[in-house]
Amino acid sequence: SQQGEEDPQALSIQEGENATMNCSYKTSINNLQWYRQNSGRGLVHLILIRSNEREKHSGRLRVTLDTSKKSSSLLITASRAADTASYFCATASQMEYGNKLVFGAGTILRVKS
Amino acid sequence: DTAVSQTPKYLVTQMGNDKSIKCEQNLGHDTMYWYKQDSKKFLKIMFSYNNKELIINETVPNRFSPKSPDKAHLNLHINSLELGDSAVYFCASSQAGQAYYEQYFGPGTRLTVT
Repeated sequence: SQQGEEDPQALSIQEGENATMNCSYKTSINNLQWYRQNSGRGLVHLILIRSNEREKHSGRLRVTLDTSKKSSSLLITASRAADTASYFCATASQMEYGNKLVFGAGTILRVKS
Repeated sequence: DTAVSQTPKYLVTQMGNDKSIKCEQNLGHDTMYWYKQDSKKFLKIMFSYNNKELIINETVPNRFSPKSPDKAHLNLHINSLELGDSAVYFCASSQAGQAYYEQYFGPGTRLTVT
């Protein structure tokens, strides 16, 4: 069954603007990961944030994790046309789903130049 | 050098046929996975192998049989293909199992069953 739910399903912004995507999940987790998928390609890992971490940065990416609300957000600052892709959150939980990643349905981001 | 490679990239076949997809990783990882991505882009794990040993086997029809000849290779054989098997299949690998590490994905194999 699906664990993560991304919001919004689709997002369209202008180049230079910031993009924020949210992910909510249901059970306690060991870590939460964000991936990007360009059209017709495989997924690329962006950031992994562990359950005892609250915020992580990587270049123009900022991920937050609120375990009390069971939610995470991915912020892309100063977006570029090349950021156009689908973004997925994935949760790793031992308790209900076993030792595996469970992916959400993704957010489609379109950055217009 | 491609970290995780899959062949073929496209596979078009008729119902009832048997087909295989091959995957290789050159990252020295211990764990490999097969995922299925449907037309709505929902990605779901099918199998996971750790050092050639099956550790995750989701509710997948018996027609799907993974084989890991060594820890760098994980192949997927599908018997008696059905229309509903049409999807993109991704192979992935990680340093170790238990989803505690990032996963590296292959480019995908788009399977179309007619």
